Amino acid sequence: DVKVTQSSRYLVKRTGEKVFLECVQDMDHENMFWYRQDPGLGLRLIYFSYDVKMKEKGDIPEGYSVSREKKERFSLILESASTNQTSMYLCASSRDTNTGELFFGEGSRLTVL
Amino acid sequence: TQLLEQSPQFLSIQEGENLTVYCNSSSVFSSLQWYRQEPGEGPVLLVTVVTGGEVKKLKRLTFQFGDARKDSSLHITAAQPGDTGLYLCAGDGGNTPLVFGKGTRLSVIA
Repeated sequence: DVKVTQSSRYLVKRTGEKVFLECVQDMDHENMFWYRQDPGLGLRLIYFSYDVKMKEKGDIPEGYSVSREKKERFSLILESASTNQTSMYLCASSRDTNTGELFFGEGSRLTVL
Repeated sequence: TQLLEQSPQFLSIQEGENLTVYCNSSSVFSSLQWYRQEPGEGPVLLVTVVTGGEVKKLKRLTFQFGDARKDSSLHITAAQPGDTGLYLCAGDGGNTPLVFGKGTRLSVIA
């Protein structure tokens, strides 16, 4: 059974803290994505990666960075968390193209106080 | 910028009723995907439609891709509480990642 695993389901952090959200997929997929999901705003793409050590900005990259040192792992980093980054974060992967079926993790709900 | 508009935003119906949700754009898409997201889970792909005018059925769910490949609809017959969730459409516009609509949140009351 294919799986995308996000390291934390729930996190509570303080303003200014550095936050790491980890995502691992076991499907040998080339493409990985980070989205944030907010009520009324849908899924918004933060960053994506087509290959190891490669990254591309999505629609809302400000305040975030990513790391992809290994094919199966894609990390989202908040260098200095702010309250407006309180959200649900979803990681996804896809096989061959950036428009193929997306397999999502269960999400990480981050609250920044 | 390609946009997908979904309507309605919210829908609450009784078990057994029929419903249709819409996904519209002014842009042409090579294909369009429909996902369902249940509470506490990530979205899961239901279907991909590729050809203009295509109709696909998944049990009580019927998906249609518009002839011009700018819009799609999802029709549910005899809705059940298990159909409750957030329905998302996503379009393939070319050499960029999928474009998502904001979703239709469906609640089916027993």
